[in-house]
Amino acid sequence: ETGVTQTPRHLVMGMTNKKSLKCEQHLGHNAMYWYKQSAKKPLELMFVYNFKEQTENNSVPSRFSPECPNSSHLFLHLHTLQPEDSALYLCASSQIGTSLGEQYFGPGTRLTVT
Amino acid sequence: DAKTTQPNSMESNEEEPVHLPCNHSTISGTDYIHWYRQLPSQGPEYVIHGLTSNVNNRMASLAIAEDRKSSTLILHRATLRDAAVYYCIPIPVRDDKIIFGKGTRLHILP
Repeated sequence: ETGVTQTPRHLVMGMTNKKSLKCEQHLGHNAMYWYKQSAKKPLELMFVYNFKEQTENNSVPSRFSPECPNSSHLFLHLHTLQPEDSALYLCASSQIGTSLGEQYFGPGTRLTVT
Repeated sequence: DAKTTQPNSMESNEEEPVHLPCNHSTISGTDYIHWYRQLPSQGPEYVIHGLTSNVNNRMASLAIAEDRKSSTLILHRATLRDAAVYYCIPIPVRDDKIIFGKGTRLHILP
């Protein structure tokens, strides 16, 4: 058990759909992250939230819209995606402010855009 | 960000030690060396980290070269469950970003 849960685990959506990915951390951390892992590519950092404030947007297209209503929950709203957006989307959390905030990852949501 | 070089893949026999190398010749003096691994169909998990001294925990050992330009992750007795992609990542102290490379895919032979 990692303490970070993600739902759904699998999602298939058309290019005109709107869907949301949900992440919840049960570790009392103050920072949360979204990563994208495409086939045969390294994990890419998408967004960083510290204390509910977005501190990093790694040039992510606007069809991906993050939301962090509190320090335990993180959403990724998806709309008008492209087939190349099919990937594993991973959420992570950490405790910022300690000397080393190792990140704890969820199991990911496998997204397929048709 | 410090660049790292790791072998694309390695093989090891079950129940034998495994030494996973990483070169990070451009590492900054304040960067900690972190190792994460990603098992099949799972998110990455933290393995170990260190600054200058060798480190041990229940999962692995980390040997850091005296000049800090390389490090080695040591799995003392590999099991089939250790088959994963292992990432070596220098991270500045108090930085909240992890930049993953391609890592080393470790295959364990029964």
